[in-house]
Amino acid sequence: AQKVTQAQTEISVVEKEDVTLDCVYETRDTTYYLFWYKQPPSGELVFLIRRNSFDEQNEISGRYSWNFQKSTSSFNFTITASQVVDSAVYFCALSEAGSNYQLIWGAGTKLIIKP
Amino acid sequence: EPEVTQTPSHQVTQMGQEVILRCVPISNHLYFYWYRQILGQKVEFLVSFYNNEISEKSEIFDDQFSVERPDGSNFTLKIRSTKLEDSAMYFCASSEVGQGYNSPLHFGNGTRLTVT
Repeated sequence: AQKVTQAQTEISVVEKEDVTLDCVYETRDTTYYLFWYKQPPSGELVFLIRRNSFDEQNEISGRYSWNFQKSTSSFNFTITASQVVDSAVYFCALSEAGSNYQLIWGAGTKLIIKP
Repeated sequence: EPEVTQTPSHQVTQMGQEVILRCVPISNHLYFYWYRQILGQKVEFLVSFYNNEISEKSEIFDDQFSVERPDGSNFTLKIRSTKLEDSAMYFCASSEVGQGYNSPLHFGNGTRLTVT
């Protein structure tokens, strides 16, 4: 079973549209951490956010916002007023005690922002 | 901002050859990692390293792989006898404290290994 599911393989929107990337995770641990990373076409992995399981407060950082809902085991990522530079593959990842806190990655969502 | 650096950015090697991928972690970080990403697939954990020894490794990290911190700054991944299926992007990462303490990993830009 997938521990981190990013059901959207690819999303394509026109610039300035809002877009939400879904992430659903599975864990039996009460202490765990969730992450989002961005992988632009150049290939590097850029850390965006981490959230621990005890902090369900949503977070906003500029045009980025994250909605963490333990009730649905989801940690969704929204980009408001998307820009072409947002085009990348976005990975959601889980770190849990039961896996010795190794990062367990989702398959990624490729986001294409058209001008 | 300090960053993790990896060299080379692209390595081409023939099957059966040994390769060494090099990384310079962020200087005050204590935990080091290697991950790999086969083209178009998800990122996979290989190994974590702390206090000059391997702390965790995945089943991918078999006897053909080894890691070393030969001096105070470099962290290397050696693949002894490369196979075609080793072709992937290899990412080095470092963190201040272990992943279990909610420390984000800072990744290098990756080394693309192509085995022919």
